[in-house]
Amino acid sequence: GAGVSQSPRYKVAKRGQDVALRCDPISGHVSLFWYQQALGQGPEFLTYFQNEAQLDKSGLPSDRFFAERPEGSVSTLKIQRTQQEDSAVYLCASSLFSGSADTQYFGPGTRLTVL
Amino acid sequence: DQQVKQNSPSLSVQEGRISILNCDYTNSMFDYFLWYKKYPAEGPTFLISISSIKDKNEDGRFTVFLNKSAKHLSLHIVPSQPGDSAVYFCAAREYGNKLVFGAGTILRVKS
Repeated sequence: GAGVSQSPRYKVAKRGQDVALRCDPISGHVSLFWYQQALGQGPEFLTYFQNEAQLDKSGLPSDRFFAERPEGSVSTLKIQRTQQEDSAVYLCASSLFSGSADTQYFGPGTRLTVL
Repeated sequence: DQQVKQNSPSLSVQEGRISILNCDYTNSMFDYFLWYKKYPAEGPTFLISISSIKDKNEDGRFTVFLNKSAKHLSLHIVPSQPGDSAVYFCAAREYGNKLVFGAGTILRVKS
């Protein structure tokens, strides 16, 4: 019973390095979301895909953040020239459709630490 | 500007008693509300939801109440069990499907 999986689970990067975080959504799920969760806070929306189309990227904090989902399944969140303030848990979620009542299922997250 | 607020960072309850977790919101455009539960090193797990056109939804030991006029919702867990100990997040959905989360409440159920 595959849920949402994310890799790596932990990533340590030196400031200035580029990182790529991967999300494998539940098979067949149309919608995919990325969230950022800082320590002691709730998840904050970054971006949303419906199939391969990125419909909302209003939460991306800067142009160093880039997300893609080229074939409408696996997604990658890329952060260029990482900064210490990028340290957080990055959560991916998927939902079967795109309706407002659709439940979002979350992966375990990738904990990024920027030194 | 926090649109969803969980004002209690933590709550401690005796096993078998009721746990009440509260959440306030400011955006009247939210049309769907959800509660997620999170264990350490895991992603949030969906618990229960309620549409803005309803005032109550029940699922087993979990009941969510929505008071639209007060822009307030609450999650009741009865009876509370030690396995319920986790962080609980309130979330609200606006158009476009993105969720807006509160900061979470740590629930500890003592046996």
